[in-house]
Amino acid sequence: NAGVTQTPKFRVLKTGQSMTLLCAQDMNHEYMYWYRQDPGMGLRLIHYSVGEGTTAKGEVPDGYNVSRLKKQNFLLGLESAAPSQTSVYFCASTQGGGGFTEAFFGQGTRLTVV
Amino acid sequence: DAKTTQPTSMDCAEGRAANLPCNHSTISGNEYVYWYRQIHSQGPQYIIHGLKNNETNEMASLIITEDRKSSTLILPHATLRDTAVYYCIVVGTGTASKLTFGTGTRLQVTL
Repeated sequence: NAGVTQTPKFRVLKTGQSMTLLCAQDMNHEYMYWYRQDPGMGLRLIHYSVGEGTTAKGEVPDGYNVSRLKKQNFLLGLESAAPSQTSVYFCASTQGGGGFTEAFFGQGTRLTVV
Repeated sequence: DAKTTQPTSMDCAEGRAANLPCNHSTISGNEYVYWYRQIHSQGPQYIIHGLKNNETNEMASLIITEDRKSSTLILPHATLRDTAVYYCIVVGTGTASKLTFGTGTRLQVTL
């Protein structure tokens, strides 16, 4: 039982390049979340999903897109990376809904945009 | 979802109890109080949660005031491994509920 797995763990992008971060969970959770964390700061919610085929904007959605085509996967895309998107990205999942329980987090993706 | 207010940082001597306060004065009736912690640059880790009653598990205790406007996380015997950033968040049970974090409290446990 792997829990929440993020791919890749590290990446360096050039300004303007695109990439997709993958989050996979094997707990059959309904809710999934993407966060970014800048140095010395708390986690800020980018986008989230309350079920397969659904997505919603969080606190800082600009410059990012997401998709939840399969229940177990939540993809975060950067179409044209900018230095301001240099950050550590965390994915999380919860059972959600009326049975909301603890959130499980991945180990993070450290992204540097140069 | 209700907002929370926590002190920026706290210190605690190893072996002593660490009491981390959280203010959530705008909490509504169906919202839970959750605590997570983040050690170094790892992903946050769930600690405990509660609705009205005080809760205890193997990691910590959660004391929620009767009016539910504030709570305290208690680590009964803090160790150096408990040095981390502790986040108090309030989450509802509806589909519109988002899991949003504030800046948390940086707890430093010292010898």
